[in-house]
Amino acid sequence: ETGVTQTPRHLVMGMTNKKSLKCEQHLGHNAMYWYKQSAKKPLELMFVYSLEERVENNSVPSRFSPECPNSSHLFLHLHTLQPEDSALYLCASSLQTSGAYNEQFFGPGTRLTVL
Amino acid sequence: GQNIDQPTEMTATEGAIVQINCTYQTSGFNGLFWYQQHAGEAPTFLSYNVLDGLEEKGRFSSFLSRSKGYSYLLLKELQMKDSASYLCAVLDSNYQLIWGAGTKLIIKP
Repeated sequence: ETGVTQTPRHLVMGMTNKKSLKCEQHLGHNAMYWYKQSAKKPLELMFVYSLEERVENNSVPSRFSPECPNSSHLFLHLHTLQPEDSALYLCASSLQTSGAYNEQFFGPGTRLTVL
Repeated sequence: GQNIDQPTEMTATEGAIVQINCTYQTSGFNGLFWYQQHAGEAPTFLSYNVLDGLEEKGRFSSFLSRSKGYSYLLLKELQMKDSASYLCAVLDSNYQLIWGAGTKLIIKP
Protein backbone atom coordinates (compact mmCIF):
# COMPACT_ATOMS: atom_id res chain seq x y z
CA GLU A 1 0.00 0.00 0.00
CA THR A 2 1.72 3.15 -1.22
CA GLY A 3 -0.90 5.70 -0.13
CA VAL A 4 -2.12 6.18 -3.70
CA THR A 5 -5.36 4.48 -4.75
CA GLN A 6 -6.87 4.11 -8.21
CA THR A 7 -10.30 3.04 -9.40
CA PRO A 8 -11.36 1.08 -11.27
CA ARG A 9 -8.59 -1.52 -11.38
CA HIS A 10 -9.87 -2.91 -14.67
CA LEU A 11 -11.93 -1.27 -17.39
CA VAL A 12 -13.20 -2.51 -20.73
CA MET A 13 -14.80 0.05 -23.00
CA GLY A 14 -15.92 0.49 -26.55
CA MET A 15 -14.57 3.20 -28.80
CA THR A 16 -17.70 5.31 -28.42
CA ASN A 17 -17.92 5.12 -24.62
CA LYS A 18 -17.07 7.80 -22.11
CA LYS A 19 -15.44 6.75 -18.85
CA SER A 20 -13.29 8.26 -16.11
CA LEU A 21 -10.35 6.99 -14.11
CA LYS A 22 -9.94 8.18 -10.55
CA CYS A 23 -6.83 8.60 -8.42
CA GLU A 24 -6.57 9.64 -4.79
CA GLN A 25 -3.46 10.19 -2.69
CA HIS A 26 -3.37 10.25 1.10
CA LEU A 27 0.22 11.45 1.46
CA GLY A 28 -0.20 15.22 1.57
CA HIS A 29 1.72 15.60 -1.69
CA ASN A 30 1.47 18.64 -3.94
CA ALA A 31 2.17 17.00 -7.30
CA MET A 32 0.23 14.32 -9.17
CA TYR A 33 0.94 12.53 -12.44
CA TRP A 34 -0.74 10.35 -15.04
CA TYR A 35 1.40 7.78 -16.86
CA LYS A 36 0.65 5.28 -19.62
CA GLN A 37 2.44 1.94 -19.40
CA SER A 38 2.43 -0.31 -22.47
CA ALA A 39 4.09 -3.70 -22.64
CA LYS A 40 7.87 -3.53 -23.08
CA LYS A 41 7.85 0.25 -23.40
CA PRO A 42 9.05 2.95 -21.01
CA LEU A 43 6.53 4.72 -18.85
CA GLU A 44 5.03 7.59 -20.83
CA LEU A 45 4.29 10.73 -18.85
CA MET A 46 0.91 12.12 -19.87
CA PHE A 47 0.06 14.91 -17.45
CA VAL A 48 1.58 16.64 -14.44
CA TYR A 49 -0.29 18.72 -11.88
CA SER A 50 1.27 20.89 -9.20
CA LEU A 51 -1.08 22.30 -6.57
CA GLU A 52 -4.04 21.58 -8.86
CA GLU A 53 -2.56 23.43 -11.83
CA ARG A 54 -1.46 21.56 -14.91
CA VAL A 55 2.21 22.19 -15.50
CA GLU A 56 2.93 19.70 -18.25
CA ASN A 57 1.04 18.04 -21.07
CA ASN A 58 3.25 15.81 -23.16
CA SER A 59 1.29 16.19 -26.41
CA VAL A 60 -1.41 13.78 -25.36
CA PRO A 61 -4.41 13.39 -27.73
CA SER A 62 -7.47 15.37 -26.74
CA ARG A 63 -9.47 12.19 -26.22
CA PHE A 64 -7.70 12.12 -22.84
CA SER A 65 -8.82 14.93 -20.55
CA PRO A 66 -7.37 15.35 -17.05
CA GLU A 67 -9.02 17.04 -14.10
CA CYS A 68 -7.50 17.91 -10.74
CA PRO A 69 -10.16 19.38 -8.41
CA ASN A 70 -7.80 19.45 -5.41
CA SER A 71 -4.31 18.28 -4.48
CA SER A 72 -5.58 14.87 -3.33
CA HIS A 73 -7.66 13.87 -6.34
CA LEU A 74 -6.91 13.39 -10.01
CA PHE A 75 -9.17 12.19 -12.80
CA LEU A 76 -8.57 11.10 -16.35
CA HIS A 77 -11.65 11.43 -18.54
CA LEU A 78 -11.72 9.17 -21.58
CA HIS A 79 -13.82 9.48 -24.74
CA THR A 80 -13.73 8.01 -28.23
CA LEU A 81 -10.61 6.03 -27.47
CA GLN A 82 -8.78 3.81 -29.95
CA PRO A 83 -7.67 0.19 -29.48
CA GLU A 84 -4.04 1.35 -29.29
CA ASP A 85 -4.95 3.23 -26.11
CA SER A 86 -5.27 -0.10 -24.33
CA ALA A 87 -2.62 -0.05 -21.60
CA LEU A 88 -2.02 0.22 -17.87
CA TYR A 89 -2.68 3.77 -16.65
CA LEU A 90 -0.72 4.67 -13.57
CA CYS A 91 -1.23 7.57 -11.23
CA ALA A 92 1.61 8.85 -9.08
CA SER A 93 2.21 11.60 -6.55
CA SER A 94 5.26 13.34 -5.12
CA LEU A 95 5.95 16.06 -2.63
CA GLN A 96 6.68 18.55 -5.40
CA THR A 97 7.36 18.55 -9.13
CA SER A 98 10.97 19.67 -9.01
CA GLY A 99 14.03 19.17 -6.89
CA ALA A 100 16.33 16.24 -6.45
CA TYR A 101 15.26 13.04 -4.73
CA ASN A 102 11.72 13.65 -5.83
CA GLU A 103 10.45 10.15 -5.17
CA GLN A 104 7.16 9.33 -6.84
CA PHE A 105 4.63 7.06 -5.19
CA PHE A 106 2.51 5.04 -7.58
CA GLY A 107 -0.99 3.68 -7.47
CA PRO A 108 -1.73 0.11 -8.63
CA GLY A 109 -2.99 1.29 -12.00
CA THR A 110 -6.09 0.81 -14.12
CA ARG A 111 -5.83 -1.89 -16.78
CA LEU A 112 -7.74 -0.40 -19.73
CA THR A 113 -8.91 -2.42 -22.72
CA VAL A 114 -10.49 -0.61 -25.66
CA LEU A 115 -12.54 -2.83 -27.97
CA GLY B 1 17.29 12.62 -27.66
CA GLN B 2 17.13 11.15 -24.20
CA ASN B 3 17.51 7.43 -23.76
CA ILE B 4 17.61 4.81 -21.02
CA ASP B 5 18.75 1.29 -21.90
CA GLN B 6 18.30 -1.82 -19.79
CA PRO B 7 17.98 -5.50 -20.72
CA THR B 8 14.46 -6.66 -21.51
CA GLU B 9 14.59 -9.86 -19.52
CA MET B 10 16.95 -11.77 -17.23
CA THR B 11 16.77 -15.16 -15.54
CA ALA B 12 18.49 -16.15 -12.31
CA THR B 13 18.40 -18.94 -9.75
CA GLU B 14 17.01 -18.72 -6.24
CA GLY B 15 19.81 -17.95 -3.76
CA ALA B 16 22.11 -16.52 -6.42
CA ILE B 17 23.19 -12.96 -7.23
CA VAL B 18 22.03 -10.95 -10.25
CA GLN B 19 23.12 -7.58 -11.63
CA ILE B 20 20.75 -5.49 -13.73
CA ASN B 21 22.48 -2.81 -15.77
CA CYS B 22 21.16 0.56 -16.90
CA THR B 23 22.88 3.02 -19.22
CA TYR B 24 21.57 6.49 -19.91
CA GLN B 25 22.00 9.50 -22.16
CA THR B 26 20.04 12.44 -20.85
CA SER B 27 20.12 16.23 -20.95
CA GLY B 28 21.53 16.80 -17.52
CA PHE B 29 21.46 14.57 -14.48
CA ASN B 30 19.84 15.08 -11.10
CA GLY B 31 19.77 11.52 -9.85
CA LEU B 32 18.85 7.97 -10.81
CA PHE B 33 16.05 5.87 -9.38
CA TRP B 34 15.38 2.14 -9.33
CA TYR B 35 11.82 0.91 -8.90
CA GLN B 36 10.43 -2.61 -8.53
CA GLN B 37 7.12 -3.55 -10.13
CA HIS B 38 5.41 -6.88 -9.55
CA ALA B 39 2.96 -7.95 -12.22
CA GLY B 40 -0.33 -6.11 -11.84
CA GLU B 41 0.97 -3.91 -9.04
CA ALA B 42 2.31 -0.38 -8.52
CA PRO B 43 5.99 0.39 -9.05
CA THR B 44 7.65 0.80 -5.65
CA PHE B 45 10.80 2.76 -4.85
CA LEU B 46 14.01 0.81 -4.29
CA SER B 47 16.89 3.27 -4.44
CA TYR B 48 18.14 6.70 -5.41
CA ASN B 49 21.71 7.56 -6.44
CA VAL B 50 23.01 11.03 -7.19
CA LEU B 51 26.69 10.61 -6.30
CA ASP B 52 29.09 8.04 -7.72
CA GLY B 53 29.48 4.84 -5.79
CA LEU B 54 27.58 2.01 -4.23
CA GLU B 55 24.54 2.36 -2.00
CA GLU B 56 23.66 -0.76 -0.04
CA LYS B 57 20.24 -1.49 1.40
CA GLY B 58 19.88 -5.01 2.72
CA ARG B 59 19.94 -7.55 -0.11
CA PHE B 60 19.75 -4.79 -2.72
CA SER B 61 22.56 -2.45 -3.76
CA SER B 62 22.68 0.24 -6.43
CA PHE B 63 25.78 1.61 -8.12
CA LEU B 64 26.26 4.79 -10.12
CA SER B 65 29.00 6.10 -12.41
CA ARG B 66 28.03 9.51 -13.75
CA SER B 67 31.06 9.77 -16.04
CA LYS B 68 30.04 6.52 -17.76
CA GLY B 69 26.29 7.17 -17.71
CA TYR B 70 25.89 3.81 -16.03
CA SER B 71 24.14 2.26 -13.08
CA TYR B 72 23.42 -1.23 -11.88
CA LEU B 73 21.10 -2.82 -9.37
CA LEU B 74 22.58 -5.80 -7.52
CA LEU B 75 20.27 -8.32 -5.90
CA LYS B 76 21.80 -10.87 -3.54
CA GLU B 77 20.40 -14.09 -2.02
CA LEU B 78 17.61 -14.09 -4.57
CA GLN B 79 14.17 -15.13 -3.43
CA MET B 80 11.20 -16.17 -5.52
CA LYS B 81 9.40 -12.98 -4.50
CA ASP B 82 12.10 -10.98 -6.30
CA SER B 83 10.53 -12.03 -9.61
CA ALA B 84 9.38 -8.67 -10.94
CA SER B 85 10.22 -5.92 -13.38
CA TYR B 86 12.94 -3.45 -12.38
CA LEU B 87 12.65 0.06 -13.76
CA CYS B 88 15.54 2.49 -14.10
CA ALA B 89 14.70 6.21 -14.30
CA VAL B 90 16.86 9.35 -14.52
CA LEU B 91 15.96 12.87 -13.37
CA ASP B 92 17.10 15.20 -16.14
CA SER B 93 18.11 18.86 -15.92
CA ASN B 94 14.42 19.89 -15.87
CA TYR B 95 13.72 17.45 -13.03
CA GLN B 96 11.68 15.32 -15.39
CA LEU B 97 11.91 11.56 -14.90
CA ILE B 98 13.09 9.68 -18.00
CA TRP B 99 12.17 6.01 -17.75
CA GLY B 100 13.69 2.83 -19.13
CA ALA B 101 11.42 0.09 -20.45
CA GLY B 102 12.19 -2.13 -17.45
CA THR B 103 13.93 -5.45 -16.98
CA LYS B 104 11.77 -8.47 -16.26
CA LEU B 105 13.59 -10.69 -13.78
CA ILE B 106 12.57 -14.35 -13.63
CA ILE B 107 13.75 -16.36 -10.63
CA LYS B 108 13.91 -20.13 -10.99
CA PRO B 109 14.06 -22.63 -8.10
